Amino acid sequence: QSVLTQPPSVSGAPGQRVTISCTGSTSNIGANYDVHWYQQLPGTAPKLLIYGNSIRASGVPDRFSGSKSVTSASLAITGLQAEDEAEYYCQSYDTSLSGPVFGGGTKLTVL
Amino acid sequence: QITLKESGPTLVKPTQTLTLTCTFSGFSLTTTGVGVGWIRQPPGKALEWLALIYWDDDKRYNPSLKSRLTITKDTSKNQVVLTMTNMDPMDTATYYCAHSQCSSSSCNRGFDPWGQGTLVTVSS
Repeated sequence: QSVLTQPPSVSGAPGQRVTISCTGSTSNIGANYDVHWYQQLPGTAPKLLIYGNSIRASGVPDRFSGSKSVTSASLAITGLQAEDEAEYYCQSYDTSLSGPVFGGGTKLTVL
Repeated sequence: QITLKESGPTLVKPTQTLTLTCTFSGFSLTTTGVGVGWIRQPPGKALEWLALIYWDDDKRYNPSLKSRLTITKDTSKNQVVLTMTNMDPMDTATYYCAHSQCSSSSCNRGFDPWGQGTLVTVSS
């Protein structure tokens, strides 16, 4: 059971827009801690996609965007491409754990 | 360019102690704000943070595993070592190390980049 809750899967057709939610609590996202997003392509290590809630990491296309609201955050992907098919993880900091926490991951399928 | 690479045994027996080494380049763990973390991922499952060590030797551990973990750094070798005692088959996972950089106001800035990971199997 992950501290941050993500939907297990989302899907969309090429060109469409999808969003992935990340729900936390008052001990992490709700405590004003930033949220970060990672993309993990099959068989590879996670790669930082978005940090500080909405800042794209170097080289990340502007099709990817992040937002945060109270105790949750979202990752949006527009103009969906086949290469976006991957697992996506959110991450924040939790005061109860005194350390980083991850979401359970969301599998994005491009139809 | 920052790179990290994990090394260690691929197979350990239950109750044994696991020792993993993260060898990095492109940064120094003597630089203010720098940290290196360990994260693991059981096959087909989610990421789990294990431990973090900072430039000032501040060490943080996942409370659920704290009694089994020790993280140390060797700045002369550009290495961070993680030991985990009393290994169990449930500890079978890919273990990653990753770079972290604090800002003036926060050390919660994500992990970037990550090493390629090393799969550790716990089995008799």
